[in-house]
Amino acid sequence: EDQVTQSPEALRLQEGESSSLNCSYTVSGLRGLFWYRQDPGKGPEFLFTLYSAGEEKEKERLKATLTKKESFLHITAPKPEDSATYLCAVSIEAGGSYIPTFGRGTSLIVHP
Amino acid sequence: DAGITQSPRHKVTETGTPVTLRCHQTENHRYMYWYRQDPGHGLRLIHYSYGVKDTDKGEVSDGYSVSRSKTEDFLLTLESATSSQTSVYFCATGQGSYGNTIYFGEGSWLTVV
Repeated sequence: EDQVTQSPEALRLQEGESSSLNCSYTVSGLRGLFWYRQDPGKGPEFLFTLYSAGEEKEKERLKATLTKKESFLHITAPKPEDSATYLCAVSIEAGGSYIPTFGRGTSLIVHP
Repeated sequence: DAGITQSPRHKVTETGTPVTLRCHQTENHRYMYWYRQDPGHGLRLIHYSYGVKDTDKGEVSDGYSVSRSKTEDFLLTLESATSSQTSVYFCATGQGSYGNTIYFGEGSWLTVV
C-alpha cells in the first residue's frame, strides 16, 4: 500500500506557465513532510520541510503548502532551469524511529 | 547541506562477487540511511543506522548487509551481487529521526553483469 503518492508522474510546462505538483499521504500523526529536487545523475537536494496543516514555505519560484491529507508544490512562472524531478517524502514510524518514505516523484520539464 | 561523500561513484562488477559501498559524513549526524533508486519504484530504504553499531532493516534489505563502526562511516555490502541489484544507491544522513530533514550524497552507480 502506497503511503505517499505523487501526481502527476510527468508534467510539461511552457516557460512562465504556473502549475502545482501534488503529494498525498496516508499516515496518522504527521511528523514531517519533505520536498526535494533531483537533477539527472545527482542526489536529491533538499527544498522544504513542513510539519503542520496550514504551514507554507517559499523559495524563489517555489511554494510548498500542507493540509491534513496532502501537500502541494506550487511553481510560479517557471523557467527551464526548474526542470527536474521533484520528490516528496513523509516520516513514517518504524521500530521506534521515523523513516523518510518517498513517493515516486514528478518529472517536470519546462520548455523555453 | 551535510558533507556526505560516497565511494565508489561508479562500479561494474560480476554476478556473485561481493561489493562494498562506503558513505562518509562530516556533520556528526546520528542517523544514516542507504536507499536504492530504480525506475518505477522511486527511492526505497535498504537499511538505516541510528548510532554506532545500531542498525535496522528497511523495505528492501534482502541480499544486503550494513555496518557502522564509527559515527562518520556507514558501509553497505552486497555479499554476492546479482543483476537485480543493478541500481543507483544513495546514502543520506540526518541529526535525528522525529521529523528531522535528511540530506543526500551524490549516489553510487552499480552495474552487476
